[in-house]
Amino acid sequence: AQSVTQLDSQVPVFEEAPVELRCNYSSSVSVYLFWYVQYPNQGLQLLLKYLSGSTLVKGINGFEAEFNKSQTSFHLRKPSVHISDTAEYFCAVSEDTGRRALTFGSGTRLQVQP
Amino acid sequence: DAGVIQSPRHEVTEMGQEVTLRCKPISGHNSLFWYRQTMMRGLELLIYFNNNVPIDDSGMPEDRFSAKMPNASFSTLKIQPSEPRDSAVYFCASSPGPHGNEQFFGPGTRLTVL
Repeated sequence: AQSVTQLDSQVPVFEEAPVELRCNYSSSVSVYLFWYVQYPNQGLQLLLKYLSGSTLVKGINGFEAEFNKSQTSFHLRKPSVHISDTAEYFCAVSEDTGRRALTFGSGTRLQVQP
Repeated sequence: DAGVIQSPRHEVTEMGQEVTLRCKPISGHNSLFWYRQTMMRGLELLIYFNNNVPIDDSGMPEDRFSAKMPNASFSTLKIQPSEPRDSAVYFCASSPGPHGNEQFFGPGTRLTVL
């Protein structure tokens, strides 16, 4: 079975500063990787996904993530954050076995301060 | 497209009562997922359907929980009898084939069992 670890439960950062949200996963088979964002009282919205190919993936709202197979990581980055980026961010994995369900990390609360 | 539709958005009930949550997936999507979100356990998969057939219900906590998908445009999650520990936000998500595609989440149903 796969698992996802998000080491940082909260990340405070000032507006226009860069940010990195860390995600590590564990799986015995090939995986697909996702980052979702959840704004207060809303459902989850996909930021980006890695299925195959280039290990650097670009998503919406200026976010990008890099898949590192040797380190089993999929860290999310943004070079300059805005107040509107304040939200909960979830890393998720699904296995390349036909089972389509996602396993989520515990989430990282990004708090952008003026 | 209206996206994934869930109803009700909020439900407050008393312990022992039956609760039914409803979901309408995005038209044309052949996979449907029910997740539960709590502070203690984060986001957990309860059950998912592929082409209206339950594929994996290993996340259903106990026999008090049941889910059905009578057709491609409707699914229900029922809790009978409900208990205070069932209080959570329940999300429905749908996804088009094939494996690895994005899951689109509904806004969730916030359930409070008193």
